Amino acid sequence: EVQLLESGGGVVQPGGSLRLSCGASGFTFSNYAMSWVRQTPGKGLEWVSDIRGSGVSTYHADSVEGRFTISRDDSKNTLYLQMNSLRAEDTAVYYCAKFTGYSSRGGGFDYWGQGTLVTVSS
Amino acid sequence: QSALTQPASVSGSPGQSITISCTGTSSDVAAYNYVSWYQQHPGKAPKLMIYDVSNRPSGVSNRFSGSKSGNTASLTISGLQAEDEADYYCSSYTYRSTQVFGTGTKVTVL
Repeated sequence: EVQLLESGGGVVQPGGSLRLSCGASGFTFSNYAMSWVRQTPGKGLEWVSDIRGSGVSTYHADSVEGRFTISRDDSKNTLYLQMNSLRAEDTAVYYCAKFTGYSSRGGGFDYWGQGTLVTVSS
Repeated sequence: QSALTQPASVSGSPGQSITISCTGTSSDVAAYNYVSWYQQHPGKAPKLMIYDVSNRPSGVSNRFSGSKSGNTASLTISGLQAEDEADYYCSSYTYRSTQVFGTGTKVTVL
């Protein structure tokens, strides 16, 4: 059974940093692209970042470019999101999601974690 | 990258069919057959319903179908059921090798 479990969320002051983790099980982690998607409470989904299988390529939304970095450790079956220079508008539930294939070109997000809440507030 | 445009809400009676549109641009929806659709119930994570415009993952009811014409993709739910009441989001691959979600549509079963 595929499972994704996020951790690392919490309350942080504007300008601060946080690192999210997503532990994966039930599939060969290195073979699949992974992504972070966020959702502001009561609002829509926003794609944040993705990383191809084995970490060969990474992509970030313009809204987080230069501040957030996605990475993966295939030996630990874990996905990360390092978030720096956090802003109030980064407040959201952050989901870890698995793609259907090695690349995010095609397919979709077929498994999602339960989400972890990040609150940026002074 | 601007969000894809979806109607804020769509409603229908049980047994009816409804269609949700998802309008993008020549840089995303029109350029690739890589549109997916997600269902999200309150307090839950999204669920993949359609991928690559019209393909259903195993376990998803055949009452859900997808299509695309030009820069607009569509999700049709036939034989509407109470359990279909949820938020629905489209997503597309883009020319920058990124993803973009739609604005979301709340489906109400009357």
